[in-house]
Amino acid sequence: KNEVEQSPQNLTAQEGEFITINCSYSVGISALHWLQQHPGGGIVSLFMLSSGKKKHGRLIATINIQEKHSSLHITASHPRDSAVYICAVLFGNEKLTFGTGTRLTIIP
Amino acid sequence: DAGVIQSPRHEVTEMGQEVTLRCKPISGHDYLFWYRQTMMRGLELLIYFNNNVPIDDSGMPEDRFSAKMPNASFSTLKIQPSEPRDSAVYFCASSSSFRRGSGNTIYFGEGSWLTVV
Repeated sequence: KNEVEQSPQNLTAQEGEFITINCSYSVGISALHWLQQHPGGGIVSLFMLSSGKKKHGRLIATINIQEKHSSLHITASHPRDSAVYICAVLFGNEKLTFGTGTRLTIIP
Repeated sequence: DAGVIQSPRHEVTEMGQEVTLRCKPISGHDYLFWYRQTMMRGLELLIYFNNNVPIDDSGMPEDRFSAKMPNASFSTLKIQPSEPRDSAVYFCASSSSFRRGSGNTIYFGEGSWLTVV
C-alpha cells in the first residue's frame, strides 16, 4: 500500500528557532511535493523534489531516495510561517498521495 | 496569470439540492485535478483530467458526483443530490505536464467551501 507519514502532527516553537518537519513514504516515488496551507485554506506548493535538496529563502527541502524520507526545514522561523505543511507524493503515476499534515505554530 | 480560479468561494445549500463548483485552470496547463479536504480524511483526489479527458475518477465517492471539462479553460464538479456528508472544501488544481520526473509545480485554487445543511 502506498502510504505517506508525516511527523510531528503538531509543532509549536519560539520565533527564531530552526524547524524540521519529516515525511516518510512506503515505496519508491517519482516526485515529492511540500505544500503550505494557511488559515483560510489556500494551498501553495513550496517545493517539488525528486532527488537532493532545494532551497528557497529560509526554506530548505531535502529528500533521501534510499531511505524514503524527506525533510522540510525552516531557518529563523517567524510567526508568519505558522501554517499546516503537507507532504504529497507521486508514486509513479499522476495521483498525489497526501500526508496528514503538520500544524506549525511560531510564537513571537 | 491570475492563478487557478474557483467559484463559488463559499456555498451553503440544503440537503438534496444540486451543487455546481467551477474551476478555471491556469492557461496552458494540461492537467486539472479536483481534490476534497475534510477534517477526518484530509486531502483526497476525486478526479483528474489530462488535455480535457478524464483520466482517473476512482476517487469520486459515488454516482452523485460528476465532473466535466468541456474545454481547456473550464471544469465543473457537480453534486446531485447533495448530502450533509459532502460538506468539505473542494480544491481545483492545475499543472503543466504533471508526469514522473518532469518536476512541475501544481497550483491550487483558493477552494470552494461547501456546507450542506
